[in-house]
Amino acid sequence: EVQLVESGGGLVQPGGSLRLSCAASGFTFSSYAMTWARQAPGKGLEWVSGISPSGGTTYYADSVKGRFSISRDNTKNTLYLQMNSLRAEDTAMYYCAKWAVNWAYDYWGQGTLVTVSS
Amino acid sequence: QSALTQPPSASGSPGQSVTISCTGTSSDVGGYNYVSWYQQHPGKAPRLMIYEVTKRPSGVPDRFSGSKSGNTASLTVSGLQAEDEADYYCNSYAGNNNLVFGGGTKLTVL
Repeated sequence: EVQLVESGGGLVQPGGSLRLSCAASGFTFSSYAMTWARQAPGKGLEWVSGISPSGGTTYYADSVKGRFSISRDNTKNTLYLQMNSLRAEDTAMYYCAKWAVNWAYDYWGQGTLVTVSS
Repeated sequence: QSALTQPPSASGSPGQSVTISCTGTSSDVGGYNYVSWYQQHPGKAPRLMIYEVTKRPSGVPDRFSGSKSGNTASLTVSGLQAEDEADYYCNSYAGNNNLVFGGGTKLTVL
C-alpha cells in the first residue's frame, strides 16, 4: 500500500525557515518524480515544486522560486521542502504527492500545516 | 502562471449529470493534453479522478469522464450520487516544467 506521510509543519515567524519532510513507502520511491502542493485555509490547491526521480531536476512555481528548495533522499525514501524567507501568504496545508504520468499525481499525503505569523 | 478558471459552484440532483468547466489558454489547457481532475472531500487529501484529459485511474467509477475543446477542459459526472459532493480541481501542464491548478468548484448534490 502506497503511503505518504508529511511532517515538519508548525508555527513560524515571518522571515523564518522550516523544512518539511514526506516519508514514502509502498512503492519504489527512486523511480518516481514527486511534487509539493499547498492549500491555504479555505482556498484552492496551488502547485509549489517538483523533482525528478534522481533529484537532478527541480522546478518551482514563481511564487516560491528563490525561497524554497526541494530535494530527496532516495536511500531514506524521503522527500523534503526547505522553506526560507517565509511570508504570511505561505500559510497553508502542504501536501506531497507521487507522480503517476504526465503531470498527474495519483497518491497524496494527508498534509502538514504551516502557519506563518508573528 | 495564472490559475485556470473554474465556476465556483455546480449542483445537480441524484441521478442527473453535471459538467464542470476549466478554462485556460493556449499555453496550458489548449497546448497540452495533460489536464487532470482531482476530487477533494472536506479535510481530506485530493484524489486523482481523470488524467491526460480523458483517462480514468483504476478504481474511479466510469460515471466520471473528461473532455477538452480548445482552451477549455470539462469534467462530467453522470448519475450523480451523494458521495460525489466534494470540491473538484482541474490542473494542466503549462510548459517549462510548470503546473497550474484551477480555483476549484464545489459540487453540491441536491
